[in-house]
Amino acid sequence: KAGVTQTPRYLIKTRGQQVTLSCSPISGHRSVSWYQQTPGQGLQFLFEYFSETQRNKGNFPGRFSGRQFSNSRSEMNVSTLELGDSALYLCASTKDRITGELFFGEGSRLTVL
Amino acid sequence: AQSVSQHNHHVILSEAASLELGCNYSYGGTVNLFWYVQYPGQHLQLLLKYFSGDPLVKGIKGFEAEFIKSKFSFNLRKPSVQWSDTAEYFCAVDVTTDSWGKFQFGAGTQVVVTP
Repeated sequence: KAGVTQTPRYLIKTRGQQVTLSCSPISGHRSVSWYQQTPGQGLQFLFEYFSETQRNKGNFPGRFSGRQFSNSRSEMNVSTLELGDSALYLCASTKDRITGELFFGEGSRLTVL
Repeated sequence: AQSVSQHNHHVILSEAASLELGCNYSYGGTVNLFWYVQYPGQHLQLLLKYFSGDPLVKGIKGFEAEFIKSKFSFNLRKPSVQWSDTAEYFCAVDVTTDSWGKFQFGAGTQVVVTP
């Protein structure tokens, strides 16, 4: 079955702009979470959605937001981009806590100039 | 603050050498523990996981990890590495208090295996 799909894979923006990233989870997975990956920092949790509701949020400023649609697809938005927002943004989906495994997409690499 | 610590940021070793990567976490309650691996150019994938039971868990590609509750540790081991084990390894903790998907990850350990 198809894995987690993220679009776009690469994008370049300038400071002050905004960006929207998209994630399609594995079919049947209702939980979608987002992570920011930077060298030396590992993966930092952004937020997690389940059935269109944000259930958890990490320690990121309000410029980072997200949403989930009824088909479980999710988007995250970053407004007023800063240089420090350059990172690989990873989306992961999971079916349930019983297995507990996160299935990751390949990520969207954002470069802010 | 709750955290996950990986002590080695960079490890270089030769093929056939043994590998051990340390992971410590600071959560006091029940946790689920994971090791994920990211091979060059690929997405993160699960290496192994511990939920309960036998504290020595075996994963894919000959990896194993031992959960030591008293030390809050979940170290990853492989007796004999191969060049194909070159990757970045992440320890992760799922704090089983609320929802799914909120994993805390360590900073990662970059492992380079030389031929």
